[in-house]
Amino acid sequence: SQQGEEDPQALSIQEGENATMNCSYKTSINNLQWYRQNSGRGLVHLILIRSNEREKHSGRLRVTLDTSKKSSSLLITASRAADTASYFCATVKWGGGADGLTFGKGTHLIIQP
Amino acid sequence: DAGVTQSPTHLIKTRGQQVTLRCSPISGHKSVSWYQQVLGQGPQFIFQYYEKEERGRGNFPDRFSARQFPNYSSELNVNALLLGDSALYLCASSLADLSSYNEQFFGPGTRLTVL
Repeated sequence: SQQGEEDPQALSIQEGENATMNCSYKTSINNLQWYRQNSGRGLVHLILIRSNEREKHSGRLRVTLDTSKKSSSLLITASRAADTASYFCATVKWGGGADGLTFGKGTHLIIQP
Repeated sequence: DAGVTQSPTHLIKTRGQQVTLRCSPISGHKSVSWYQQVLGQGPQFIFQYYEKEERGRGNFPDRFSARQFPNYSSELNVNALLLGDSALYLCASSLADLSSYNEQFFGPGTRLTVL
């Protein structure tokens, strides 16, 4: 079963604008990770945020985590055409390091040139 | 350095057949995990192996099995294929045990089509 639910399912914006996508989950987590997938190929790890962290930055990416609301957001600033991809959040349940990542259904992001 | 490699890239099988998918992790990585991604969905966890031992198993039937070799490469086997097994099969490697606590590196996947 898929724990994470990304919102929106699809997002289309102009190049240069910011893109925000959200993720909700159901159980207590050890960490939450965001991945990018281009055209149904392999996933690329973007950022990992642990349950005791509230915000992390990596380049043009900003991730927030609210464990009280069981939600996370991914912000991509100054979007580029190359950011067009599907974005997935994935959670690791507390004590579940061997149980794999639980992915949501993803947000499909399209950057219009 | 080479990333995670998977073979074959594409595969077409018929119902009832058996298939073996292969994965080579990044050099130095001892943990390999397998995921199934059906079209339009996120990946679903199948197995995790570390030092040749199964560490975790997802909610998949016994038709799915895997193993890890002394060089840390891995095979995923699926018996008695069903149409619903058509998917992209992804392999991920990581340095440590309990690998989901850390960043995982995914291969390009094997796209399996069952007719």
